[in-house]
Amino acid sequence: QKEVEQDPGPLSVPEGAIVSLNCTYSNSAFQYFMWYRQYSRKGPELLMYTYSSGNKEDGRFTAQVDKSSKYISLFIRDSQPSDSATYLCAMSEPGPRGASGTYKYIFGTGTRLKVLA
Amino acid sequence: GAVVSQHPSRVICKSGTSVKIECRSLDFQATTMFWYRQFPKQSLMLMATSNEGSKATYEQGVEKDKFLINHASLTLSTLTVTSAHPEDSSFYICSARETGNRYNSPLHFGNGTRLTVT
Repeated sequence: QKEVEQDPGPLSVPEGAIVSLNCTYSNSAFQYFMWYRQYSRKGPELLMYTYSSGNKEDGRFTAQVDKSSKYISLFIRDSQPSDSATYLCAMSEPGPRGASGTYKYIFGTGTRLKVLA
Repeated sequence: GAVVSQHPSRVICKSGTSVKIECRSLDFQATTMFWYRQFPKQSLMLMATSNEGSKATYEQGVEKDKFLINHASLTLSTLTVTSAHPEDSSFYICSARETGNRYNSPLHFGNGTRLTVT
């Protein structure tokens, strides 16, 4: 079982729709959760960074974390064609781990989103 | 916001030559940087963790003699693909986390380098 599961899509929605993107995870030690947006042939861009359960809002984006269900979501309101991209979830445990003392970030496979004009 | 600059954005080289990719954190210090490889329509594959002042930690299956990593300062890590072959053609992306944050901090990514080996 993968540590992080994410539906690869593609997900097609009409312009103006509310988009819901989700990830599930199996490691209960994860406490830090991130959402990235990646356009084709570009590096991932950090959209949201959350700690612990609850909601966090930034403009049209809302990140939601449910640690009891090991489930995180990213909602995009009033979606635009410019939101068409791949969305990656990522998560990490608190503090460094492993013999090297390095931090480990686990990424989902990414969901391809297409917002149709 | 935190900016990571990666250079070059695109490089074409001949088989057998070496290519160096630079990753710089522009407005923060990064003790730890990460190097990823990404194939078309696939997710990020962690290659190695670059630690300032010490040896890099490579993921299983990644040849450390093939992919040389140097992290000589708190703002610069380099990845050198040695004796490149066509199968090394890929999209390479670096990322960095801000040093000095006692809690975890998010990763910030460069814009990637598309390597084509002919």
